[in-house]
Amino acid sequence: EDQVTQSPEALRLQEGESSSLNCSYTVSGLRGLFWYRQDPGKGPEFLFTLYSAGEEKEKERLKATLTKKESFLHITAPKPEDSATYLCAVNTNAGKSTFGDGTTLTVKP
Amino acid sequence: EAQVTQNPRYLITVTGKKLTVTCSQNMNHEYMSWYRQDPGLGLRQIYYSMNVEVTDKGDVPEGYKVSRKEKRNFPLILESPSPNQTSLYFCASSLYAGGGQPQHFGDGTRLSIL
Repeated sequence: EDQVTQSPEALRLQEGESSSLNCSYTVSGLRGLFWYRQDPGKGPEFLFTLYSAGEEKEKERLKATLTKKESFLHITAPKPEDSATYLCAVNTNAGKSTFGDGTTLTVKP
Repeated sequence: EAQVTQNPRYLITVTGKKLTVTCSQNMNHEYMSWYRQDPGLGLRQIYYSMNVEVTDKGDVPEGYKVSRKEKRNFPLILESPSPNQTSLYFCASSLYAGGGQPQHFGDGTRLSIL
């Protein structure tokens, strides 16, 4: 059974305090690992796709990395507007998608 | 504007009264999917569709039905809703299934079943 586990469940940072979110996964036939951002009352919004171990993607203060068993979302010098829930998901050959429970990030000014 | 549109956005109803949540996308996407999101449980996939007339069960399909008669529409049907189906529902679509295609999500439908 495909599984995605995210940690921590919640993370509180001061503005400018860098940190990382973790996503560990077990899946057969990985066809992509995704990071999404979800704001309260909204649907998830796509951030990154990673396909293979060693791959990295960057966007503004966010950088996603992938190994064979986990992915990290690094947040450098976060701002209050980075506060959101960050979701990790995997797609498989069969078309199924499995999401983690998310990490809720709060950045205090 | 490229989007996934769900209706209604909010619904309060009673046990046993059949309801349909509509989902439509204007991006000519092949793949569509329904999720429910409950506190502490993340997004769980209910059903997905790889193309017209092709649907498959996700992780939590019990109590739900879907159909995909047209590419753009993927309605979610609750034939006899029960209180444990009270949840926040999201419809999503992507260009095609499999591979590294990200999903585009609607803004959600909050269902309360009394």
